[in-house]
Amino acid sequence: AQKVTQAQTEISVVEKEDVTLDCVYETRDTTYYLFWYKQPPSGELVFLIRRNSFDEQNEISGRYSWNFQKSTSSFNFTITASQVVDSAVYFCALSEAHDRYQLIWGAGTKLIIKP
Amino acid sequence: DTGVSQDPRHKITKRGQNVTFRCDPISEHNRLYWYRQTLGQGPEFLTYFQNEAQLEKSRLLSDRFSAERPKGSFSTLEIQRTEQGDSAMYLCASSFLTSGGASTDTQYFGPGTRLTVL
Repeated sequence: AQKVTQAQTEISVVEKEDVTLDCVYETRDTTYYLFWYKQPPSGELVFLIRRNSFDEQNEISGRYSWNFQKSTSSFNFTITASQVVDSAVYFCALSEAHDRYQLIWGAGTKLIIKP
Repeated sequence: DTGVSQDPRHKITKRGQNVTFRCDPISEHNRLYWYRQTLGQGPEFLTYFQNEAQLEKSRLLSDRFSAERPKGSFSTLEIQRTEQGDSAMYLCASSFLTSGGASTDTQYFGPGTRLTVL
């Protein structure tokens, strides 16, 4: 069965530290898509990145980077030089090609950046 | 291009009352989704539309819940005879699925409607 696990319930770091949020997924499909969303205290889910299963290249966007490893079924998210504005709940999600409307969500990781 | 909008942002109602929420998707998006999210949890899928057709409904969507997307643009979610357990954030998302269906459709979310049932 498909599943997304975010084992870290809450992470607290001091500003400017680097932090990695873990995401492990399970799927039987060979074609699937992985997502990260950010949910700040305001509540709106903000799309960060989508990665398909055939593209294992890591991606960097400013202070954000993502490490996709099919061998370990992981799609980890790193924030470099964290800032207070990065404080939010971060969700990892999975969709499978045969059922693309269905996003399977992790439980989320609450990230607290202390000044 | 404006994002997904939802109205109202907050709704407080008494148990037993009916409430209706509206979602305006990103223009040209042909898919629209409704989710419910309670504190400390990820979003739970409720239903989705492709154009005006409601293609899937979760078993979470009891017969007190009804959703419409009459012209394939905005959507409404109505909850009849509200219960305290309906208190949650109701999220709407939209996406665009290509006619060939070859690429995935990334869901973009609105700010949500927070419902409190007293």
